[in-house]
Amino acid sequence: GQQLNQSPQSMFIQEGEDVSMNCTSSSIFNTWLWYKQDPGEGPVLLIALYKAGELTSNGRLTAQFGITRKDSFLNISAYIPSDVGIYFCAWQLGTNSGKSTFGYGTTLTVKP
Amino acid sequence: NAGVTQTPKFQVLKTGQSMTLQCAQDMNHEYMSWYRQDPGMGLRLIHYSVGAGITDQGEVPNGYNVSRSTTEDFPLRLLSAAPSQTSVYFCASSPQGYGSTDTQYFGPGTRLTVL
Repeated sequence: GQQLNQSPQSMFIQEGEDVSMNCTSSSIFNTWLWYKQDPGEGPVLLIALYKAGELTSNGRLTAQFGITRKDSFLNISAYIPSDVGIYFCAWQLGTNSGKSTFGYGTTLTVKP
Repeated sequence: NAGVTQTPKFQVLKTGQSMTLQCAQDMNHEYMSWYRQDPGMGLRLIHYSVGAGITDQGEVPNGYNVSRSTTEDFPLRLLSAAPSQTSVYFCASSPQGYGSTDTQYFGPGTRLTVL
């Protein structure tokens, strides 16, 4: 099956810092999705990307669909404590399939 | 709308027991899926359905059965529980149509422990 590599696995962030994480794949994708999971909750979609090179923002979050269609990154600016959680990249298994493959996630924690 | 609901929230089983995890959605979504989440493994697709009466296997289907008799409900059955099935289970739904299926709505999860 397709490999979806997400990095880093975890990060300790100070309030106010910018955060960057990325996903790479061995295959070309048509859709990149970024989800956030708060502790004890299900994932919630943050940003969906549909075109190579597309750059999309959602508040302090910015995500880009790589030109090669094999990667994507998510940036969070000015980290705040409520950004704590697990961030997943995912790709849609074809159009109209209703199912996704998820990366292993990046866990963000406030630096003590 | 209640969105996607899952019951129970927590469950402890003994090896060999069977049980059904319930999932319901009130958004009239055609697509529904079951995932399991294990530490450091992300979410892995167990089974999914593109409409009532239609189901298919995902990445890790062994040991699980599903059925979809109505649009609203998509129960997941563990036939004979094993410790390897200790996990957090998430149900998700999404509407039909290109682009709209990208937005999967997840339930709050069922935390299952098999002893």
